[in-house]
Amino acid sequence: AAGVIQSPRHLIKEKRETATLKCYPIPRHDTVYWYQQGPGQDPQFLISFYEKMQSDKGSIPDRFSAQQFSDYHSELNMSSLELGDSALYFCASSLAGGSPKNIQYFGAGTRLSVL
Amino acid sequence: DAKTTQPPSMDCAEGRAANLPCNHSTISGNEYVYWYRQIHSQGPQYIIHGLKNNETNEMASLIITEDRKSSTLILPHATLRDTAVYYCIVRVEGAGGTSYGKLTFGQGTILTVHP
Repeated sequence: AAGVIQSPRHLIKEKRETATLKCYPIPRHDTVYWYQQGPGQDPQFLISFYEKMQSDKGSIPDRFSAQQFSDYHSELNMSSLELGDSALYFCASSLAGGSPKNIQYFGAGTRLSVL
Repeated sequence: DAKTTQPPSMDCAEGRAANLPCNHSTISGNEYVYWYRQIHSQGPQYIIHGLKNNETNEMASLIITEDRKSSTLILPHATLRDTAVYYCIVRVEGAGGTSYGKLTFGQGTILTVHP
């Protein structure tokens, strides 16, 4: 079965650069979630989209923005990168009205290293 | 979302049942208990969820106490590949278009399965 695809898998950037992470949800899933996992920490919710509209927002820095496109894929844009942004970034997708409802399936993640 | 409490670590012998407890004494009537696991830096993986009845699937069983204040995830025949961090999360089974969809990861239990 198709899973959540994230690209790139690894990304190395310098401080103050920008980065764009992409997420392709499971086909027919209408909801996308982004999570950040710092070294030795648990995943933390950043932001979510349902039917291309932002549905919830967590502890996402103002330097980050995200959107969900008409084909339901999502992109997380990160600007003015800081050393502390080095983390694993996971995307998850779900079918809001599915049965069972809204089970989230995660991608393999993007490992961002800011030097 | 209700707070959950899990032991930080547990050990289990390969082939034996692994029983992972979770306390969620402040759970609300409309909140479900979800279990996810994360195998070393991979994306979290959905295991099982339930409201009040015991649940079983191909991966595990979930036993929820009658007062719903605690639950136990059971891996009936643990293998080395079950070594992971296991997260117990309580959440309303909300649709993706709401603010209820996100997963709030707590500390989790590091399960180590040894030969």
